[in-house]
Amino acid sequence: QVTLRESGPALVRPTQTLTLTCTFSGFSLSTDGIRVSWIRQPPGKALEWLAMIDWDDDKFYRSSLKNRITISKDTSKNQVVLIMTNMDPADTATYFCARTPWREIGDAFDIWGQGTMVTVSS
Amino acid sequence: EIVLTQSPGTLSLSPGERATLSCRASQSVGRNYLAWYQHKPGQPPRLLIYASSHRATDIPDRFSGRGFGTEFTLTISSLQPEDFATYYCLQYNNYPRTFGQGTKLEIK
Repeated sequence: QVTLRESGPALVRPTQTLTLTCTFSGFSLSTDGIRVSWIRQPPGKALEWLAMIDWDDDKFYRSSLKNRITISKDTSKNQVVLIMTNMDPADTATYFCARTPWREIGDAFDIWGQGTMVTVSS
Repeated sequence: EIVLTQSPGTLSLSPGERATLSCRASQSVGRNYLAWYQHKPGQPPRLLIYASSHRATDIPDRFSGRGFGTEFTLTISSLQPEDFATYYCLQYNNYPRTFGQGTKLEIK
């Protein structure tokens, strides 16, 4: 069974750095064709893709956030980490991680974590 | 960036009725690299359709997708009570991946 779970702080102060961890099971990020993305949803707004990392350690970023975000993986721990610097109240959102089994269904996200709510406030 | 515009914003229907949701892209999404998701509050989005018309695993056949290029449609043939939710389209032809703003399907 494929599962993903996001973890990280519920509250961060403006200008601080956010570190989120996606811990997954049921698949390996060293398997050819597997990718993991971070996606967020501000309250009452639409979903927004942030970044993706693949089995070959290639990384893709939303260009508008590229100077602020870093995605990385620890294959041995089955984890993907998102770091976002200089947090702003506009970054308040539920943050999801999601898997892409590229060789099975193309680049759609098939399984998502439950999400973790992050509030940016002083 | 490809902008996806979903219509209508809200759709009010009764159980048993047919629902038709639209997703229009600002430019072609190539070889139909478009997916549909169902999203309920407090739950993660659920993949319904990928590659425009392929149902994901365990998705009932009352859900169907069609379209190509810039015009896509999700149809729910006979609404069940559990189908009332918000639906999003996603394009994965270009970076950044982009979602539509959603269609809220509510009980009439």
